[in-house]
Amino acid sequence: DAKTTQPTSMDCAEGRAANLPCNHSTISGNEYVYWYRQIHSQGPQYIIHGLKNNETNEMASLIITEDRKSSTLILPHATLRDTAVYYCIVIARNQGAQKLVFGQGTRLTINP
Amino acid sequence: EAGVTQFPSHSVIEKGQTVTLRCDPISGHDNLYWYRRVMGKEIKFLLHFVKESKQDESGMPNNRFLAERTGGTYSTLKVQPAELEDSGVYFCASSQERGLFGTEQFFGPGTRLTVL
Repeated sequence: DAKTTQPTSMDCAEGRAANLPCNHSTISGNEYVYWYRQIHSQGPQYIIHGLKNNETNEMASLIITEDRKSSTLILPHATLRDTAVYYCIVIARNQGAQKLVFGQGTRLTINP
Repeated sequence: EAGVTQFPSHSVIEKGQTVTLRCDPISGHDNLYWYRRVMGKEIKFLLHFVKESKQDESGMPNNRFLAERTGGTYSTLKVQPAELEDSGVYFCASSQERGLFGTEQFFGPGTRLTVL
């Protein structure tokens, strides 16, 4: 699976959009981009995933660049409860269900 | 629908003792995973069951760890004998394979293991 690079930490004001970048320059054609987050003392939580088109669900939006070498997770109206570590993970989907390889992630702090 | 549950939530044992962690996946989920985070480190994969079969156990640290999933429902992870470096949070996750349409994993709250 392709390696991902994320900033170590970010801050965002409550109510603003939080934009979390992820670089995955070695991503291959059959690999999807997944985002998970871990709120303190809880298990990781799935957020969203995509292949090449932008995706949106009730939690977030995922913007993937045309060359697929990077992506951005957008939390449109961040709340204090969005403070967490966010993980960008690349997974090859044609190999069935697979383990998740967690990196350091981005520690996002939402400030009041 | 009930989520993934883990028992116990916390366990404190002495070095050399045995501990068994339990995970109940979401009903109907064939895939069950174990992960752990030891102090200051990243979350690491331990193993993956598909129903009752071990699909991938490449992350199991050593033979002191034994995972089972008899009947393809709940799973147990036994550590025997426990060592100090086994302290950490053990997460279980489950998923239902849906081909190319995504296999997001649902995680339990974790078991915090402390070995003294």
